[in-house]
Amino acid sequence: ELKVEQNPLFLSMQEGKNYTIYCNYSTTSDRLYWYRQDPGKSLESLFVLLSNGAVKQEGRLMASLDTKARLSTLHITAAVHDLSATYFCAVQNAGKSTFGDGTTLTVKP
Amino acid sequence: GAVVSQHPSRVICKSGTSVKIECRSLDFQATTMFWYRQFPKQSLMLMATSNEGSKATYEQGVEKDKFLINHASLTLSTLTVTSAHPEDSSFYICSAGSPSYEQYFGPGTRLTVT
Repeated sequence: ELKVEQNPLFLSMQEGKNYTIYCNYSTTSDRLYWYRQDPGKSLESLFVLLSNGAVKQEGRLMASLDTKARLSTLHITAAVHDLSATYFCAVQNAGKSTFGDGTTLTVKP
Repeated sequence: GAVVSQHPSRVICKSGTSVKIECRSLDFQATTMFWYRQFPKQSLMLMATSNEGSKATYEQGVEKDKFLINHASLTLSTLTVTSAHPEDSSFYICSAGSPSYEQYFGPGTRLTVT
């Protein structure tokens, strides 16, 4: 059974600081996704990572994938308040996605 | 990005009644759609995978007779919660898989069973 573990589950950081969210998974995967969810809303797709060594960046967020270590990271650079949300990684295997528990990020002034 | 719609966005129903939720892929044909359930402060749990023209594949622990899924066309999948109970109250989210491997999520349906 595929297990996906995210850490930390809660993250409070100050504006301007950098931080990394980690996503570990237990078996080989086809691809890995990162999503953002705002309170009361559905998911917004951030990144899809398809292969080992893949790195994608959008604004202050950068995601990477190491399939050998079964690890993906979501790095936040110079955080701003607008990034406050819950971030999920999800691992897809044989067409099915398994989600991590989510990381609730709060960026404080 | 692609657009997936869900209807209704919110629904309140009485215990014992049935509720139908529609999920539409508006700008691409989705051979596969997924239905998730999310309880407050929790992650998304996959309920079932819906394939156009065939029976849905349900995850372990999900009652197929209670959560009826129909994927009648490449752009529409429906989830019917039959004989709803208060414990079925949740946020139901569908997603559609695109040919470029991304999943596009609908805006979700918040179901409250009284």
